[in-house]
Amino acid sequence: GNSVTQMEGPVTLSEEAFLTINCTYTATGYPSLFWYVQYPGEGLQLLLKATKADDKGSNKGFEATYRKETTSFHLEKGSVQVSDSAVYFCALRRAGGFKTIFGAGTRLFVKA
Amino acid sequence: NAGVTQTPKFQVLKTGQSMTLQCAQDMNHNSMYWYRQDPGMGLRLIYYSASEGTTDKGEVPNGYNVSRLNKREFSLRLESAAPSQTSVYFCASSEGAFNTGELFFGEGSRLTVL
Repeated sequence: GNSVTQMEGPVTLSEEAFLTINCTYTATGYPSLFWYVQYPGEGLQLLLKATKADDKGSNKGFEATYRKETTSFHLEKGSVQVSDSAVYFCALRRAGGFKTIFGAGTRLFVKA
Repeated sequence: NAGVTQTPKFQVLKTGQSMTLQCAQDMNHNSMYWYRQDPGMGLRLIYYSASEGTTDKGEVPNGYNVSRLNKREFSLRLESAAPSQTSVYFCASSEGAFNTGELFFGEGSRLTVL
């Protein structure tokens, strides 16, 4: 079946550090891939997405590239801010499907 | 813009009590979902409604029922609450299957079952 595996947290970084959160997936066909972010006390919101191989999603300085050969969709940001402290979820949705499968989430703490 | 609205935001129940979580979206989306979020387990799909008039089970449907009241509203009912149902519940919506698939979430409902 379809599944998403992401690195365990928490991840603690100092402001302006480089961020990588690893995400790998198992799926048949060509799913769409997503990163969602959840700020404290809020629901999830879409951060970025990619719908086909080699696509790069980007938003708010975050980037992720859809790598079909390694079945990965790692999240990166060159310089994190305190305001980036949140929980990040990697997710996939099969093409033409209704269900989105989420990873367990990675909590990020950024220290000033 | 309201987006996806859930009520109530907080609820405490005793074991065996029943309750309904309400969800409404104003984006004219076809598909609606109920997820639960538990520490270390991400989000797990309870039930979903691909379109008005249809509902289907997700990963963890036991102990829950749903109703797609109309295109806007999708409710989740716990008939006899159990401590294992203590969780944060999220309603979400999306346009439908044949699109980018982005989910729009409500702010969540925190449920405690004693």
